[in-house]
Amino acid sequence: AQSVSQHNHHVILSEAASLELGCNYSYGGTVNLFWYVQYPGQHLQLLLKYFSGDPLVKGIKGFEAEFIKSKFSFNLRKPSVQWSDTAEYFCAVKSGYSSASKIIFGSGTRLSIRP
Amino acid sequence: DTAVSQTPKYLVTQMGNDKSIKCEQNLGHDTMYWYKQDSKKFLKIMFSYNNKELIINETVPNRFSPKSPDKAHLNLHINSLELGDSAVYFCASSRPTGGQETQYFGPGTRLLVL
Repeated sequence: AQSVSQHNHHVILSEAASLELGCNYSYGGTVNLFWYVQYPGQHLQLLLKYFSGDPLVKGIKGFEAEFIKSKFSFNLRKPSVQWSDTAEYFCAVKSGYSSASKIIFGSGTRLSIRP
Repeated sequence: DTAVSQTPKYLVTQMGNDKSIKCEQNLGHDTMYWYKQDSKKFLKIMFSYNNKELIINETVPNRFSPKSPDKAHLNLHINSLELGDSAVYFCASSRPTGGQETQYFGPGTRLLVL
């Protein structure tokens, strides 16, 4: 069955540190990949997405992610985090093109930034 | 100009009650979803509707019944509420475009069953 793994459950960084959050998925076919962010008490917002083309995707707020097909990975990066990046980050994968294909979410990574 | 809206935002109720959560989107999307986020932040799809037709129905108790009166609305009715139903319920919508779609989420409904 299709699955998404986020191995880091809680990451604590100081402001200005660099960030990389891991995401691996298990599906051998065509995938659409997403990173969503959920600020405390708020809904999920799309950070970035990959459908096809350049595997290095740039999103909002200085985030980027790289799709490495051979590693089934879609890690999220940011060169210098800010206190306002404190949030829960979810990786998500959708397989195939059917409207009946589900988006599977990872379990989330909680990011805490020390001011 | 809210894109995906849900009502109510908070819902506190007793076990055994029946309650409904409403969702509306003004994005012109064809597909709408209900997700449940548990206390550990794990997010799981419950239902998906495309043009008012049910297309995804995960293993969800029969007490949960979605209803889509039109493609801009997807409501969730829950019968005989149980303690384990306490969670945040998110509605989302998308417009499939050649298989590439992005889901947009509502603000969530925080349900607490006492």
